[in-house]
Amino acid sequence: AQSVTQLDSQVPVFEEAPVELRCNYSSSVSVYLFWYVQYPNQGLQLLLKYLSGSTLVKGINGFEAEFNKSQTSFHLRKPSVHISDTAEYFCAVSDRSSGTYKYIFGTGTRLKVLA
Amino acid sequence: DTGVSQDPRHKITKRGQNVTFRCDPISEHNRLYWYRQTLGQGPEFLTYFQNEAQLEKSRLLSDRFSAERPKGSFSTLEIQRTEQGDSAMYLCASSLTYSGVVYNEQFFGPGTRLTVL
Repeated sequence: AQSVTQLDSQVPVFEEAPVELRCNYSSSVSVYLFWYVQYPNQGLQLLLKYLSGSTLVKGINGFEAEFNKSQTSFHLRKPSVHISDTAEYFCAVSDRSSGTYKYIFGTGTRLKVLA
Repeated sequence: DTGVSQDPRHKITKRGQNVTFRCDPISEHNRLYWYRQTLGQGPEFLTYFQNEAQLEKSRLLSDRFSAERPKGSFSTLEIQRTEQGDSAMYLCASSLTYSGVVYNEQFFGPGTRLTVL
């Protein structure tokens, strides 16, 4: 069964510094990949998605991610973070062959941006 | 496009009571998903509908849980005889997807936070 690993449960970083949030998934079968952000007591907002094509994906708020099939990774990066980026970030995988397209989520990474 | 809405946003109930949550998806979306998110965890899939048909249920969905989507529009999730372990955020998501033909990402609602005392 598919699984998603977000190794870093918390990432503290200073404002204007770069950040990388790591995501690895278990299977190399054809997948769709996503990063969502969740602010306290709110639902999930899509940051970016990989469906096909270019392995470098750009999303909202200056975030980008790179799909690496050989390493089954989809790490999220931002070159310069802001205080407002403080939130929980979830990586999700959807199996393209399943027909369900349900998401399998990682356990999340809490990004804390320090002034 | 008003997005996915969920009602209520918060629900506090006593153990043993029944609760029902509602989700209104984006109007043209044919698929509707329910997820459960416990504290410190990522959301976990519960069930999904394509139009009015419930096509898959997770093993997390015990006999006390039932979901419906009459007429393929809004959906309800009912939990009977609630237990303290049911305390969680219940998230609804919708998408416009036709298997193998059209794929679009899921759009999430704000969630219903359930607290069972």
